[in-house]
Amino acid sequence: GAGVSQSPRYKVAKRGQDVALRCDPISGHVSLFWYQQALGQGPEFLTYFQNEAQLDKSGLPSDRFFAERPEGSVSTLKIQRTQQEDSAVYLCASSLGLAGGPYEQYFGPGTRLTVT
Amino acid sequence: RKEVEQDPGPFNVPEGATVAFNCTYSNSASQSFFWYRQDCRKEPKLLMSVYSSGNEDGRFTAQLNRASQYISLLIRDSKLSDSATYLCVVTSGTYKYIFGTGTRLKVLA
Repeated sequence: GAGVSQSPRYKVAKRGQDVALRCDPISGHVSLFWYQQALGQGPEFLTYFQNEAQLDKSGLPSDRFFAERPEGSVSTLKIQRTQQEDSAVYLCASSLGLAGGPYEQYFGPGTRLTVT
Repeated sequence: RKEVEQDPGPFNVPEGATVAFNCTYSNSASQSFFWYRQDCRKEPKLLMSVYSSGNEDGRFTAQLNRASQYISLLIRDSKLSDSATYLCVVTSGTYKYIFGTGTRLKVLA
């Protein structure tokens, strides 16, 4: 079946531009996560949704980062006024997220953001 | 101190070798543990969960030592296709994954 998809796969932005990254989770998955992965590092948690509710945004590095999942399926991560330190791969993951977790998270291919 | 620590490697081993990676974690309340595999420029994929009793999947064996707060991954009879980065994952609460930096493995012909 279809896995997690993300778009665009690559994004080059000039410093100061706003960007929007999209995630389509696996159908029926309640939980959705965003991670940031810098070169040579493991993914770092950014935020977590259960359906449309953003239950944890403790990993968002600044108020320039904003995520939403208005209908409980597709999610968008928006970065305003991009800075060079925002250059990274942004990974989206989804999981069944039923009670009794944590559950296996399935990752999308990521969006590689380069800020010039 | 990072919550989850791994030796970044790289570990360069010949085909057929046995290689082991360790990962230490700081949160004694962590309940679930995983090993994920990440190929270059690809997404992480679950390799195996780690249980207290230890578990094996073919050539791969994972172990958990709660007292010392570390998990390990053993790969026997290494194949060229095992070359990848192996990410240790420790959970915080019921949903949050905390990743290590990953250990790079290169299996040489």
